[in-house]
Amino acid sequence: DQQVKQNSPSLSVQEGRISILNCDYTNSMFDYFLWYKKYPAEGPTFLISISSIKDKNEDGRFTVFLNKSAKHLSLHIVPSQPGDSAVYFCAANGWDSSYKLIFGSGTRLLVRP
Amino acid sequence: KAGVTQTPRYLIKTRGQQVTLSCSPISGHRSVSWYQQTPGQGLQFLFEYFSETQRNKGNFPGRFSGRQFSNSRSEMNVSTLELGDSALYLCASSTTPVPNEKLFFGSGTQLSVL
Repeated sequence: DQQVKQNSPSLSVQEGRISILNCDYTNSMFDYFLWYKKYPAEGPTFLISISSIKDKNEDGRFTVFLNKSAKHLSLHIVPSQPGDSAVYFCAANGWDSSYKLIFGSGTRLLVRP
Repeated sequence: KAGVTQTPRYLIKTRGQQVTLSCSPISGHRSVSWYQQTPGQGLQFLFEYFSETQRNKGNFPGRFSGRQFSNSRSEMNVSTLELGDSALYLCASSTTPVPNEKLFFGSGTQLSVL
């Protein structure tokens, strides 16, 4: 049973527009969430994170929103650039899953020039 | 500072064989985690080592094993390979196994089982 779900396997947006990637989780014990970006033939790289005591964290063009009551988080990329085309994984951690991150299945983002 | 190094980059094996993958963490990182990535399944946690001790293990059969050496380098072994073991195996390191610690990933070893 997947505790972290990314229900959209792919997303295509126009350059300059907003990209919104979604992630749902089932375990209420998760208290820290991260987004990783992965290019082909490379390992995932950390993008942005958020603690459960916050509902928003911003870093440049990237903003992560957390809705604890809905067990939902989203990553907003504004404006989207062609170099953002990659697979994005959300991950969750907390006391119930200490010492490991649980990852979603990923969303492939394509930003069209 | 050098990143996480995984060797070999590619491997082709046949069913029934065994394979050993190697991971050198970032200097100073003592925690090493292993993940399996398959299409549509995301990254599945295999195991995590800290100071040569396995701290946690994922839901994989006993054919999958690992170890960590005193210099923090880690190896994982898969015995009696099956076709379904074909995947990208990723190693990640961090300074400690603290739950909210950010992981740094290597480029992975792409294993193909024929």
